[in-house]
Amino acid sequence: DTGVSQDPRHKITKRGQNVTFRCDPISEHNRLYWYRQTLGQGPEFLTYFQNEAQLEKSRLLSDRFSAERPKGSFSTLEIQRTEQGDSAMYLCASSRLAGGATDTQYFGPGTRLTVL
Amino acid sequence: SQQGEEDPQALSIQEGENATMNCSYKTSINNLQWYRQNSGRGLVHLILIRSNEREKHSGRLRVTLDTSKKSSSLLITASRAADTASYFCATVGTGRRALTFGSGTRLQVQP
Repeated sequence: DTGVSQDPRHKITKRGQNVTFRCDPISEHNRLYWYRQTLGQGPEFLTYFQNEAQLEKSRLLSDRFSAERPKGSFSTLEIQRTEQGDSAMYLCASSRLAGGATDTQYFGPGTRLTVL
Repeated sequence: SQQGEEDPQALSIQEGENATMNCSYKTSINNLQWYRQNSGRGLVHLILIRSNEREKHSGRLRVTLDTSKKSSSLLITASRAADTASYFCATVGTGRRALTFGSGTRLQVQP
């Protein structure tokens, strides 16, 4: 257990429905990341927050995806009008701002989304 | 998109043997990290090597980095059945924060 928690762990939904995932980072970590991982592949970066500011978004993050971190603590990732191609493991990671660019990211257990 | 490739894609060895996994990447990096992932679980950070380092050790792990060849290797010595997992290399590009992962090596250690 890294100290990063995600909820729910599993989500099954029907195509076209909206889903929302939550990530609670390690308490003193000010950076929070979202990644997506499909079967047999490595994780792919989606977006990154420093405190409450969303500083970077991947081209993978289509208009149907939105992420927030309103108070600089927990974060939510919402997918609107889900598609079967959204089926994946959604991973959250957090890190603490360090002097150099070598802060280690600690990953949560992930939320597995299945879109029927 | 994935940063690069890992080689081999799958590796099966006997307990006690050494396991070597290789990773290649495409762009200039600030550091390279190795992660382990047990089936269906989150990723566990193993080791980080900075771009100005050539070799690093942590317990039974040894990582090398060759920035001229844009490649890295992870050696696990005296493997155990509990080392069975997928291993990913991940890079942090110059001026970036996000990790870019390779496609992973699936290691099976037979007891």
